[in-house]
Parts: sequence; structure tokens; C-alpha cells
Amino acid sequence: GESVGLHLPTLSVQEGDNSIINCAYSNSASDYFIWYKQESGKGPQFIIDIRSNMDKRQGQRVTVLLNKTVKHLSLQIAATQPGDSAVYFCAENGSWGKLQFGAGTQVVVTP
Amino acid sequence: EPEVTQTPSHQVTQMGQEVILRCVPISNHLYFYWYRQILGQKVEFLVSFYNNEISEKSEIFDDQFSVERPDGSNFTLKIRSTKLEDSAMYFCASSEQGGTEAFFGQGTRLTVV
Repeated sequence: GESVGLHLPTLSVQEGDNSIINCAYSNSASDYFIWYKQESGKGPQFIIDIRSNMDKRQGQRVTVLLNKTVKHLSLQIAATQPGDSAVYFCAENGSWGKLQFGAGTQVVVTP
Repeated sequence: EPEVTQTPSHQVTQMGQEVILRCVPISNHLYFYWYRQILGQKVEFLVSFYNNEISEKSEIFDDQFSVERPDGSNFTLKIRSTKLEDSAMYFCASSEQGGTEAFFGQGTRLTVV
């Protein structure tokens, strides 16, 4: 029978280590990308964004890299903390602000 | 800090009943959205709303769905005749402009029985 729901890729990382979460996007015309964090039972929370005229942007403990040639985004979290445990989604911004979300990566921070 | 608020947090309804999900977007935002997330799946776009009309909608947003901004603060999603497969988390979001960060509410968990 058909399985219901997605089995999310999981990244297990030790507290204090750096995390790298990857995302491939589909539309080469997309010019704005956002990373969201979603904790259990909550709505997506904005982390960081990047426009297509940049290839790197840094925030507090987070860095987003954009490779337009291969349509790839990554989110790097420095010194991962237990509070970073969540599902992380990349999203590409389309017409009228519509967001196309990726499948998500579950980050599990272990002590 | 301004936030998007949604009510109720959980709604249980019988199949075939109408439900209205409510949202108060951030006050100076001009673009409003509804998304849904079936348990364990990714967030899916339903509809965007700007200047008091729908600007874009997905295939999911069929004739059973409608949106309204009845006054200057509320933004509602109505599902006319709910089906079991409408069970999901429904998120409202708003943004200042179409190409700027969207802020999401905490969601309404809709359970259709």
C-alpha cells in the first residue's frame, strides 16, 4: 500500500559541533530564499534569507550559502545547541510571495 | 515583537461541516497567506491574498475553500464542507511585501472526524 507522510532525513549532531543542512531547489528563476525552523507543534520560524545576487549571508550563529549553478542552498549552524533541535525547511519565494517549501531535515542535537 | 496570531489552536469538526479559521496578520503587512501541513509532511501553499483579492492559489485551494479579510485586522480561511483529508495544521502568514520574509502564526490544528 501507499505510505503516508514523508520520512524526513535526519541529521544527528553533537552539542557544540557545527551542523550543515542542505537543500536543492527547483526553479532557476527563483531570486529569494529563506530558511525556516519548525519546532514540534509550532509554526515555521524565520531564520535567515538570501537573495540571488549573493552567494553567502551570515547571521547570528547561522550562515546560508547559495550556489545558483547547481541550484543548491545550505544552512550552517555553528556550535549547535539543544535548542536547535527542530525540523529545518528551505523555501524559495515565487510570485506574489508564495513560498515553495522543501521536504525538511530533522536536526537532533545529542549531548 | 509583532506576531501573527491564529484562533482556534485546535478545531475538531464533523465531516461535511463548515469551519472558519481565523488569523490576525502583523498590522503593517500587505500580503497574507494560508498554508497547510499534513502531519509529518512539508508545508504546502494554499493561497496568497493582496489588495483584498486572491493573487495566487494552489491546486489544493478548490471551490471548498475561500478567504476573506472582513475588516482591517482579520484574515479568515473557510472550508465549506470538510473532508477527512482536510485534517492538517493550517498556518497563516503575512509579509510586508511579496518578496520579503513571511512570518507565520502558530497554526490551527484541524481534525475532521
